Amino acid sequence: KAGVTQTPRYLIKTRGQQVTLSCSPISGHRSVSWYQQTPGQGLQFLFEYFSETQRNKGNFPGRFSGRQFSNSRSEMNVSTLELGDSALYLCASSSATGGLNNEQFFGPGTRLTVL
Amino acid sequence: AQSVAQPEDQVNVAEGNPLTVKCTYSVSGNPYLFWYVQYPNRGLQFLLKYITGDNLVKGSYGFEAEFNKSQTSFHLKKPSALVSDSALYFCAVETARQLTFGSGTQLTVLP
Repeated sequence: KAGVTQTPRYLIKTRGQQVTLSCSPISGHRSVSWYQQTPGQGLQFLFEYFSETQRNKGNFPGRFSGRQFSNSRSEMNVSTLELGDSALYLCASSSATGGLNNEQFFGPGTRLTVL
Repeated sequence: AQSVAQPEDQVNVAEGNPLTVKCTYSVSGNPYLFWYVQYPNRGLQFLLKYITGDNLVKGSYGFEAEFNKSQTSFHLKKPSALVSDSALYFCAVETARQLTFGSGTQLTVLP
């Protein structure tokens, strides 16, 4: 089985721009979660999608948004980029059939640099 | 609110020696605990999880973790460290399908 894939792997943007990151989960997985990793704040949960619906959301401003398509692929969008948005953005998928405790499989991440 | 603490930013151990990476947690209700490892420029790889049952959990690559409810700890252990174990290790607790991570511990295994 192919793992979680994220595109692009690296991005450079300037302040004020917007960016879209993509995540393809493991085949058969319906849950996709997004995390932000920075040296200062560590790993922080952004949001989780299941069957095209956002089920859970972390404590991030409205500039951060996402969506999930019918094939479970997910996109994350950040508008009006700020320098502090520079981070590694990780996507994770799980079977998450509604219960807890499903192992999350992580992709390699997208490294976003905001200049 | 749930939280996870990894009190050591850095752990150094000689190859062949046992290693321990510490983790304590705070969560209401039953904890669902995880360990992940991250190699440079890579995503997180799952090592092991504790849901219920035996307090000693065995995982990938020879790692194991001991769940201690009275001390609210979930320390990661390996009997004999390898240089290739050098990486960043994260402890996490899951609630409501959301992982809350500790700050990470950089493990360096010295040859």
